[in-house]
Amino acid sequence: SAVISQKPSRDICQRGTSLTIQCQVDSQVTMMFWYRQQPGQSLTLIATANQGSEATYESGFVIDKFPISRPNLTFSTLTVSNMSPEDSSIYLCSGRTGRNTEAFFGQGTRLTVV
Amino acid sequence: DQQVKQNSPSLSVQEGRISILNCDYTNSMFDYFLWYKKYPAEGPTFLISISSIKDKNEDGRFTVFLNKSAKHLSLHIVPSQPGDSAVYFCAASGNDYKLSFGAGTTVTVRA
Repeated sequence: SAVISQKPSRDICQRGTSLTIQCQVDSQVTMMFWYRQQPGQSLTLIATANQGSEATYESGFVIDKFPISRPNLTFSTLTVSNMSPEDSSIYLCSGRTGRNTEAFFGQGTRLTVV
Repeated sequence: DQQVKQNSPSLSVQEGRISILNCDYTNSMFDYFLWYKKYPAEGPTFLISISSIKDKNEDGRFTVFLNKSAKHLSLHIVPSQPGDSAVYFCAASGNDYKLSFGAGTTVTVRA
């Protein structure tokens, strides 16, 4: 399967600031997704990153808070804007090439907001 | 609304014995099911999957069983090894490529 390089791996940020997380895939993928894993919780889908158009957000997530870009089939960014301590989580990007295929993940970004 | 449920938050098993992890789903549109393993500070790693047209898929020490009528699947790991100690997530998808995840089961393999 493809390999996703995600960075940064971790960061500690001040409240009110923004952080941009980058994911680079080593091959073209059909779909890219962004997930959040809050402490002790499961993975929750934030949005589907659409190539060349606006991302599709899940209920409870909005573009102003989590702007996403996907300029091509191998790269995507997620920005966590105007951060508060409640945004402290692990953020994961994922790629998938087809319906009945595995999804593969980056190594995650552990974000702590202080 | 949690569409994929893993009701056992933890499982402890002796090395060499079988680990059985269970997963239930509610969405009848799900037709592809996956298991992932996750270590701390790493992303989930794909283990094994099964399509809804099958009831069993095997890969080495890992076997996944699917009971569509019960909306239930299970992962069997045999024999369990110390390196299997991790969090295991069940996931499901339908026709929109998105994955829905269960809450995870923490497996501890005792020597």
